[in-house]
Amino acid sequence: QKEVEQNSGPLSVPEGAIASLNCTYSDRGSQSFFWYRQYSGKSPELIMSIYSNGDKEDGRFTAQLNKASQYVSLLIRDSQPSDSATYLCAVNPGSGTYKYIFGTGTRLKVLA
Amino acid sequence: GAVVSQHPSRVICKSGTSVKIECRSLDFQATTMFWYRQFPKQSLMLMATSNEGSKATYEQGVEKDKFLINHASLTLSTLTVTSAHPEDSSFYICSAIGPAETQYFGPGTRLLVL
Repeated sequence: QKEVEQNSGPLSVPEGAIASLNCTYSDRGSQSFFWYRQYSGKSPELIMSIYSNGDKEDGRFTAQLNKASQYVSLLIRDSQPSDSATYLCAVNPGSGTYKYIFGTGTRLKVLA
Repeated sequence: GAVVSQHPSRVICKSGTSVKIECRSLDFQATTMFWYRQFPKQSLMLMATSNEGSKATYEQGVEKDKFLINHASLTLSTLTVTSAHPEDSSFYICSAIGPAETQYFGPGTRLLVL
């Protein structure tokens, strides 16, 4: 069974620090990878997508992908209290259905 | 770009009634949409895949006669919860496949069945 695993947290970091969120996946054939942010009581919001090995930066966010080790991570620089949310890792296994496999999410708390 | 809307955002109904939830892709066409359900403090649970012009594909354990899905156009999918009961109270979220084959989520519909 294809799986995506995340540490549920909470991960607590002080304001201004770097938050590092990690995700591993089981299907080596997976094609594309996504990070979503979900605030309590709201729906998920796309933060970043990554398709190739290496780093991808967008503002304070950096996604890192290592297909050989089957992990993807999200770094949040200069963390702010407004970043406090649950971060969902999602993997598209490439079956043609676009049916993502979601991790259970990591709860991030940024302490002011 | 890539905006998905849902209507209504919140609905309260009596047990035994049916409720229809609409999911629209506002600035792109979506041949594939998904319906999820999320209970408090729990993970997203995929209910079904909605494909324009064809029958929906339901996940194991989801009753297709209870959760009717219609994807009649490239911008609209509807989920009808038939004969709703209190245990159907949940947060229903749709998503649509948009640019770069990425899932974009609607804002969700909170259903409360009394």
